[in-house]
Amino acid sequence: AIQMTQSPSSLSASVGDRVTITCRASQGIRNDLGWYQQKPGKAPKPLIFAVSSLQSGVPSRFSGSGSGTDFTLTISSLQPEDFATYYCLQDYIYPYTFGQGTKVEIK
Amino acid sequence: EVQLVESGGGLVQPGGSLRLSCAASGFTFDTYWMHWVRQVPGKGLVWVSRINSDGSTTNYADSVEGRFTTSRDNAKNTVYLQMNSLRAEDTAVYYCARGTLTYHYTSGLFDSWGQGTLVTVSS
Repeated sequence: AIQMTQSPSSLSASVGDRVTITCRASQGIRNDLGWYQQKPGKAPKPLIFAVSSLQSGVPSRFSGSGSGTDFTLTISSLQPEDFATYYCLQDYIYPYTFGQGTKVEIK
Repeated sequence: EVQLVESGGGLVQPGGSLRLSCAASGFTFDTYWMHWVRQVPGKGLVWVSRINSDGSTTNYADSVEGRFTTSRDNAKNTVYLQMNSLRAEDTAVYYCARGTLTYHYTSGLFDSWGQGTLVTVSS
């Protein structure tokens, strides 16, 4: 199975900060990657699909980039509602796999 | 409005069986793939299974292959997860999620999720 390794596992940041989360695949996954946000007690919410496409309704401060094995989720200016856990997902090959998650906490 | 509502979770003994259901509404159900994803409370997301739009093909995580079966009834707009030979490590919240449109593949996108149903495997 493809391993998806996210870094960092957690980070502390302030409102207004630029935040970058990376996801590395153990093999190339073309552009078959999405990003999800999850808040405690809630279902995950899709943010980005196909590496860099913004899901409908998601603020433009979220962006995705990358190719091959290395991918990045960027929040350009962190807002109070962005404190959550973020996951990447590869659906290039079965079994699909999520990264282990990155928890974004308030500094 | 797209809605996914899971049901069927509960407490089951190790070695037992349980069937989860996910009732869909607000979209043309038989044109979408559907997925199951699980999450141990406080831990990360784990993809469990996928079924295509007409139910003819399924795929599973290695950890559930041979024990879990995903199926769907397009007439009832419902997807199921039959879980057999349950183990303590299957304890988790189980989510159903809508995947790609069959005729317009979109990578990396599970665009709607249910609220989840908790399965607890314990004696």
